Amino acid sequence: QQQVKQSPQSLIVQKGGISIINCAYENTAFDYFPWYQQFPGKGPALLIAIRPDVSEKKEGRFTISFNKSAKQFSLHIMDSQPGDSATYFCVLKGAGSYQLTFGKGTKLSVIP
Amino acid sequence: DAGVTQSPTHLIKTRGQQVTLRCSPKSGHDTVSWYQQALGQGPQFIFQYYEEEERQRGNFPDRFSGHQFPNYSSELNVNALLLGDSALYLCASSLGLGSNQPQHFGDGTRLSIL
Repeated sequence: QQQVKQSPQSLIVQKGGISIINCAYENTAFDYFPWYQQFPGKGPALLIAIRPDVSEKKEGRFTISFNKSAKQFSLHIMDSQPGDSATYFCVLKGAGSYQLTFGKGTKLSVIP
Repeated sequence: DAGVTQSPTHLIKTRGQQVTLRCSPKSGHDTVSWYQQALGQGPQFIFQYYEEEERQRGNFPDRFSGHQFPNYSSELNVNALLLGDSALYLCASSLGLGSNQPQHFGDGTRLSIL
């Protein structure tokens, strides 16, 4: 049972553009929503995270928007750079759980 | 500051064999989680160890087992290997069992089953 649906599967953005990745989840028993970035041949690395009592969080060029009632959250990458080319995963953590549940990932390519 | 280290980086086994993967957590971390990442998919949680005990387990069969040592390092054992066990196995470490402690991942062990 897939608890989180991530879209798009792949994304091509020109340098300087905005990259947007969306995720939707199926129940409300989650209390932590991190995003991970993974480069080829590397493990995932924490990029930015949000709690459900916050609607938006910004760190540099990266912003998470969270809509608790719609059970949706998204990652915006402003001024996208070729170095941002990687696979991005939205992740859920269940309340009272230690397990991270990953989306299927979005492969972002930023072209010069 | 040493991050999470995993060994070996690559491994080739045949069906029916057994394999042991190893993980050293980031300095100062005491909790280790294991994940399986199939090609083109997101990582899937196998289990988590804290204070040398398995604290939570994902939807994986008993062929997958683990251990945590007093120095917090960990092993993942897989018995009776199947072709479908071919994947990248990731270890993640964190500090304590706090609900929102960030998990730091190693670069994984690529396991291929022939």
